[in-house]
Amino acid sequence: QQQVKQSPQSLIVQKGGISIINCAYENTAFDYFPWYQQFPGKGPALLIAIRPDVSEKKEGRFTISFNKSAKQFSLHIMDSQPGDSATYFCAASMGGSSASKIIFGSGTRLSIRP
Amino acid sequence: IAGITQAPTSQILAAGRRMTLRCTQDMRHNAMYWYRQDLGLGLRLIHYSNTAGTTGKGEVPDGYSVSRANTDDFPLTLASAVPSQTSVYFCASSESGLAGANEQFFGPGTRLTVL
Repeated sequence: QQQVKQSPQSLIVQKGGISIINCAYENTAFDYFPWYQQFPGKGPALLIAIRPDVSEKKEGRFTISFNKSAKQFSLHIMDSQPGDSATYFCAASMGGSSASKIIFGSGTRLSIRP
Repeated sequence: IAGITQAPTSQILAAGRRMTLRCTQDMRHNAMYWYRQDLGLGLRLIHYSNTAGTTGKGEVPDGYSVSRANTDDFPLTLASAVPSQTSVYFCASSESGLAGANEQFFGPGTRLTVL
């Protein structure tokens, strides 16, 4: 059963625009929410992460917005650039638990048009 | 410093054959993981190891086995490959097995095709 639902499956954004990817989770015990970025032919790499005690975390052009009551979180990429074209995965896990509790979303393929 | 290396890069395998995917890390991380990536399904955990000498089952363990004889190596074995095991396989590691606290570092992947 999928505990982290990610949308959209694919996204095309014009250069300079805002890219938004959404995730929803079911298990209220999750307390760590990372986003991973994957370029073609490469393994995923951690991009940014948030814990539910804050509603927003920003690192450069990348922002995570977190809504604990709705059990939703999203990634916003401001001023999107062609180099941001990649697949993005949201994930959720429980602190202190074993590795088997990390759940990834299904991924969003982002394409930035020049 | 390589981080995580995986071998082979790609492989075409006949159904029924045995295959071992290799994974080595040089970061002295305690925890290691194997995922498979399939379009539309994201990354699914196959097996994991929180420390050398221990292993555990993930979300999709059937048809796969692992061993963790030392800190650095975490091979994944398909005893008798089937076409549904066609996928891209990623090995990853993290400092510890505490899922919520540690970044996972991924290898470059192995693309496996079972005919």
